[in-house]
Amino acid sequence: KQEVTQIPAALSVPEGENLVLNCSFTDSAIYNLQWFRQDPGKGLTSLLLIQSSQREQTSGRLNASLDKSSGRSTLYIAASQPGDSATYLCAVKKNNAGNMLTFGGGTRLMVKP
Amino acid sequence: EAGVAQSPRYKIIEKRQSVAFWCNPISGHATLYWYQQILGQGPKLLIQFQNNGVVDDSQLPKDRFSAERLKGVDSTLKIQPAKLEDSAVYLCASSLYLEQYFGPGTRLTVT
Repeated sequence: KQEVTQIPAALSVPEGENLVLNCSFTDSAIYNLQWFRQDPGKGLTSLLLIQSSQREQTSGRLNASLDKSSGRSTLYIAASQPGDSATYLCAVKKNNAGNMLTFGGGTRLMVKP
Repeated sequence: EAGVAQSPRYKIIEKRQSVAFWCNPISGHATLYWYQQILGQGPKLLIQFQNNGVVDDSQLPKDRFSAERLKGVDSTLKIQPAKLEDSAVYLCASSLYLEQYFGPGTRLTVT
C-alpha cells in the first residue's frame, strides 16, 4: 500500500527566504506526482505535476523535483512571500488506470512579513 | 470556465443524523471523485466515478456512506447515520484527463 509522508508538518519562515518542502513515498512505481496548494476553507489548487519520466518541473518561483528510485520529491519556493502562506500537499498517482491519488499529510507554511 | 461547485459549504449535525452533500463537476469532465479530509491530514479518496459508473469505492464505509452520480453529471454523497469521526471536509473533484480540479469542499461537524 502506498504511503506518502511530508516533512515538516509545519514551517514558519521570514519573508524573502528560499525554502524546501519534502515529500517521500514508499512505492516507487508511480505514474506521476503532483504538488497542490490549499488555502484555509478552500479546495486544492494544482501547482506542478511531474510525470514519472521527468526529474523536475518549474513554474515561476516554484520548482519541483522527483527522484523516483529513492521515493522522494521536493518543492522549492524561491524568495518566499506572505501570500505563499498555505498548506502544501503532495500526491502520487500509482498507475494510469483509475487515476487514484494518494496524498501526504501536508506542510503548513507561514511566511512572516 | 466554471469550477467544481459544492453545497452546502458548512453543515453541523448531531450524531446519528443523516446528511447529504452535492457536487457539480466541471462541464464535460467524465471522472468525479469524493475525498474526505480530516483536520491535519491529506485528503483520502472515498469513491471515484467514471460517467455514472463506480471505478473505485474500496475506501468508502459502505455501512453508512453512499454516493450516486445520476446521468453522469452531478453527484451526491450521503452519510446515514453520522458518527463523531465523520467530522471532516468533504472535497469533490473532477477530471477530464490527468489533472484533477477540486471544489471548495463541505465542512461537516458532527456533535
